[in-house]
Amino acid sequence: DTAVSQTPKYLVTQMGNDKSIKCEQNLGHDTMYWYKQDSKKFLKIMFSYNNKELIINETVPNRFSPKSPDKAHLNLHINSLELGDSAVYFCASSQVAGGPGETQYFGPGTRLLVL
Amino acid sequence: AQTVTQSQPEMSVQEAETVTLSCTYDTSESDYYLFWYKQPPSRQMILVIRQEAYKQQNATENRFSVNFQKAAKSFSLKISDSQLGDAAMYFCAYRSAVLYGNKLVFGAGTILRVKS
Repeated sequence: DTAVSQTPKYLVTQMGNDKSIKCEQNLGHDTMYWYKQDSKKFLKIMFSYNNKELIINETVPNRFSPKSPDKAHLNLHINSLELGDSAVYFCASSQVAGGPGETQYFGPGTRLLVL
Repeated sequence: AQTVTQSQPEMSVQEAETVTLSCTYDTSESDYYLFWYKQPPSRQMILVIRQEAYKQQNATENRFSVNFQKAAKSFSLKISDSQLGDAAMYFCAYRSAVLYGNKLVFGAGTILRVKS
């Protein structure tokens, strides 16, 4: 039973294409996140949703659009892909946004390669 | 804005020995949480240990312990009796207890190599 799952795990695509990455958590958590890990392994928050409501948008280009159909899912859609979008994208979830002692659980990551 | 610094890009340890990974952070907040995450070659991010800033006692999880020095803004990770499976990239992370949204701010990571 995977707690936080992402599909696909690998994505190779051409510049200019539009692609989506899906994330699902079965932990009953209220908050979900997208992080980007670049080629130097640096991890940075992109978005955070709490109960389907966007609460963090960390100066990400508007080509990136998160969508949360319900609190167990947070998908990431990317339009007009650029070479610089190549990275590993991690989904994570936690019980309470801003609550004490919460821990974020990460999915396995999606490696995106834009050619 | 908070920042997290890991000054050791790479560390090596002999199997069964002890190693300490360094982490410092910068914040003006008094209430926050600190974490160490492990990322093995599988790419999965795994929580190793967590420390609440309001707790003076250092957190421990089996072979993993931290040295939390709040005044110095230092949060080092000690791994005792190192095992081959400990080889991974280790990330130190900060989370505000005040700001809504709860994002993790990560350091640049330290690659740990374990020699047999």
